[in-house]
Amino acid sequence: ETGVTQTPRHLVMGMTNKKSLKCEQHLGHNAMYWYKQSAKKPLELMFVYSLEERVENNSVPSRFSPECPNSSHLFLHLHTLQPEDSALYLCASSQDPTGGVSDTQYFGPGTRLTVL
Amino acid sequence: LAKTTQPISMDSYEGQEVNITCSHNNIATNDYITWYQQFPSQGPRFIIQGYKTKVTNEVASLFIPADRKSSTLSLPRVSLSDTAVYYCLVGGDTGRRALTFGSGTRLQVQP
Repeated sequence: ETGVTQTPRHLVMGMTNKKSLKCEQHLGHNAMYWYKQSAKKPLELMFVYSLEERVENNSVPSRFSPECPNSSHLFLHLHTLQPEDSALYLCASSQDPTGGVSDTQYFGPGTRLTVL
Repeated sequence: LAKTTQPISMDSYEGQEVNITCSHNNIATNDYITWYQQFPSQGPRFIIQGYKTKVTNEVASLFIPADRKSSTLSLPRVSLSDTAVYYCLVGGDTGRRALTFGSGTRLQVQP
């Protein structure tokens, strides 16, 4: 596979469930990101990992827990979510760990999450 | 990151050239201008990036005037598959890693 892949593509869960989203990048990049996109709203940054170290946490509730075991994999662990957490969750990666807009980010297809 | 202003939506027909302008009056000296494209239920895709004058690739052209307070993404001969949301981002290599997306421009291409 090439690029950035995400699984599952669709997920429906109850508020008491625990689930995990997975992201894998095949580009040899050093930084990985989680974004959230709610209906008709701009993308919102959630977390940034650079060289497997979390370097940004954009005031995300603790019911979202990221994990980056190596530079190619990124997980988002979900527990006791709320219906307003329903959204498209996007993973991205980039080459340069110092980041910046000049550093192109490559996005995965996203996971469409519905919380009942 | 510098604030950007884009039209909310645009309509076009197949085969036409589409120009989407983005205003960024507060652009800083070391800021780049980057455009992304997003289809429904997919992640954004990098289209083009520039600093000044004109940049062209196989997908689009980016025109940046000398004062750099605006930029124009030009899509030649659009097709139905170009229907998407286009985002203009402005920023530099300041160490902030994440991208700040605005609302973008929703382009609808009609047959």
